[in-house]
Amino acid sequence: SAVISQKPSRDICQRGTSLTIQCQVDSQVTMMFWYRQQPGQSLTLIATANQGSEATYESGFVIDKFPISRPNLTFSTLTVSNMSPEDSSIYLCSVAQGGGNEQFFGPGTRLTVL
Amino acid sequence: AQSVTQPDIHITVSEGASLELRCNYSYGATPYLFWYVQSPGQGLQLLLKYFSGDTLVQGIKGFEAEFKRSQSSFNLRKPSVHWSDAAEYFCALYSGTYKYIFGTGTRLKVLA
Repeated sequence: SAVISQKPSRDICQRGTSLTIQCQVDSQVTMMFWYRQQPGQSLTLIATANQGSEATYESGFVIDKFPISRPNLTFSTLTVSNMSPEDSSIYLCSVAQGGGNEQFFGPGTRLTVL
Repeated sequence: AQSVTQPDIHITVSEGASLELRCNYSYGATPYLFWYVQSPGQGLQLLLKYFSGDTLVQGIKGFEAEFKRSQSSFNLRKPSVHWSDAAEYFCALYSGTYKYIFGTGTRLKVLA
């Protein structure tokens, strides 16, 4: 299975600012995903990031708020822009393996917005 | 509609007792099902998965799950719970095109 790291592991930010979260994988993967887990909630898919193409966003998520980069097959970033307290969540990246029907998750970034 | 339901939000068991976490799904075909565990402050770790074949699936950390098509269930079990098993457990369904549907999670508390 892929080994995934995320930076930062946690951060406390002021409203109106932006934070970029990095996701690094130890092997080349085609599909990477970004999820949000709000306090006490389950995981919600934000977007799917393929290398060399624009990210595909799920309903309720927009590129202006959550821009994503995918410069190569082992790395991706998610930016949370113009943050508000409602953005306080754990943000997780994941990768698909095994033909796409199995995903492995990074350790998450715990974001608190004041 | 495709969905995953975990009826129990919280479960408390004593250390050494047996555990069963419930998961029900709704899906039109043979599902790919997963159980993940999330320890406090951590990401999700895959415990086990069911794709096809034997309906009793063995996973890591002594967990197993049984797929029952007739009941649309994929319950997670462990014969003897350890204090380190305290965590949140998520059941998930692969719904196709790299998409997962997650249940709302069951938070397990273990009493010493």
